[in-house]
Amino acid sequence: TQLLEQSPQFLSIQEGENLTVYCNSSSVFSSLQWYRQEPGEGPVLLVTVVTGGEVKKLKRLTFQFGDARKDSSLHITAAQPGDTGLYLCAVMVWGYQKVTFGTGTKLQVIP
Amino acid sequence: EPEVTQTPSHQVTQMGQEVILRCVPISNHLYFYWYRQILGQKVEFLVSFYNNEISEKSEIFDDQFSVERPDGSNFTLKIRSTKLEDSAMYFCASTRSPTGGGNTIYFGEGSWLTVV
Repeated sequence: TQLLEQSPQFLSIQEGENLTVYCNSSSVFSSLQWYRQEPGEGPVLLVTVVTGGEVKKLKRLTFQFGDARKDSSLHITAAQPGDTGLYLCAVMVWGYQKVTFGTGTKLQVIP
Repeated sequence: EPEVTQTPSHQVTQMGQEVILRCVPISNHLYFYWYRQILGQKVEFLVSFYNNEISEKSEIFDDQFSVERPDGSNFTLKIRSTKLEDSAMYFCASTRSPTGGGNTIYFGEGSWLTVV
């Protein structure tokens, strides 16, 4: 059983389209993070959400933390080829000194 | 911007050989990690290290693996006798504090290990 399930697993869209990626769990978290990983590189932190219902924006990316702090979504507006990559949600669980990553969503934006 | 650096970027080794992957965490960070990612799979936690000792490890981190902070700057991962299934990208990471609430964990660019 995965702690963090992401959907969809793969997404291939045309440049200019909008998309939403989901991260779901049955557990409650104090915070949740989103990373992007490009091929051959390490994950890079995009954002951390802490409060239930919180919405954060990073240019064309909108991140939301669920009210119950069990899930999160990432919405990209007008996707560009530079958005191509693996998007990972992750949590640091209290009492455990590690980051647990979700299953990942591989996004391809076609010019 | 401070960064975690890793060497080598790519290493090919024969099965059964020992491998040491090196990392220089960000200088004022206190918590260090190794993760791995098998090609096409998710990023998996291996081990966390604090105050010169392992604070947590996963099932993957068996007796073939060890970590060390030999001096004030380096953090190493040793695989004693490599197996084919150890082929993966290994990421080092560091953070100032591991507690929840939004601490940023910084990842290196990874060391790609190929066992043949």
